[in-house]
Amino acid sequence: EPEVTQTPSHQVTQMGQEVILRCVPISNHLYFYWYRQILGQKVEFLVSFYNNEISEKSEIFDDQFSVERPDGSNFTLKIRSTKLEDSAMYFCATRLEGYEQYFGPGTRLTVT
Amino acid sequence: QKEVEQDPGPLSVPEGAIVSLNCTYSNSAFQYFMWYRQYSRKGPELLMYTYSSGNKEDGRFTAQVDKSSKYISLFIRDSQPSDSATYLCASPFQGAQKLVFGQGTRLTINP
Repeated sequence: EPEVTQTPSHQVTQMGQEVILRCVPISNHLYFYWYRQILGQKVEFLVSFYNNEISEKSEIFDDQFSVERPDGSNFTLKIRSTKLEDSAMYFCATRLEGYEQYFGPGTRLTVT
Repeated sequence: QKEVEQDPGPLSVPEGAIVSLNCTYSNSAFQYFMWYRQYSRKGPELLMYTYSSGNKEDGRFTAQVDKSSKYISLFIRDSQPSDSATYLCASPFQGAQKLVFGQGTRLTINP
């Protein structure tokens, strides 16, 4: 069964450093999302991406965040200058044309 | 208002019991509902989705939607220890269909 994969599974970085989180979507899916989950809190939407552009972003997704699909398969989330409060699980999700979204296993980001 | 509310629990039941997990939502714009299962430090796994009032059954799982009261439920029959996880309800919202999640209910099935 096709699945979404994410790398790395765990990333530790120092405050102010840049990180890139990577996702490989299910191959024929068209819509891509990033969500995050701070420990003990709800899963929160960050950004959606379709047809090589952002279709919607949340208030969390400020200028420190960016997304791209550099090679037609990977889908990346970049945080330019990490803050302590960026520590969370980051999930990539993808969908084809229906409403169902399929999530990857997540990247645990720890900012020290 | 685009909230989905869910009792975080924890909920602990004996093996074999019927489990009822519930969510409420406030915005009539929510039309489609999903249940995800999340094991500790893993990604949400899609269990079921429904697009109407009434019941949808899949094996031991039944999803129920009551749009008049804005109430959605997931029932698990013959619960197993492997069902121990956090269960999340979610609904896609507006153009990009971003998912709005409830807080999740942590469920433990005791052998």
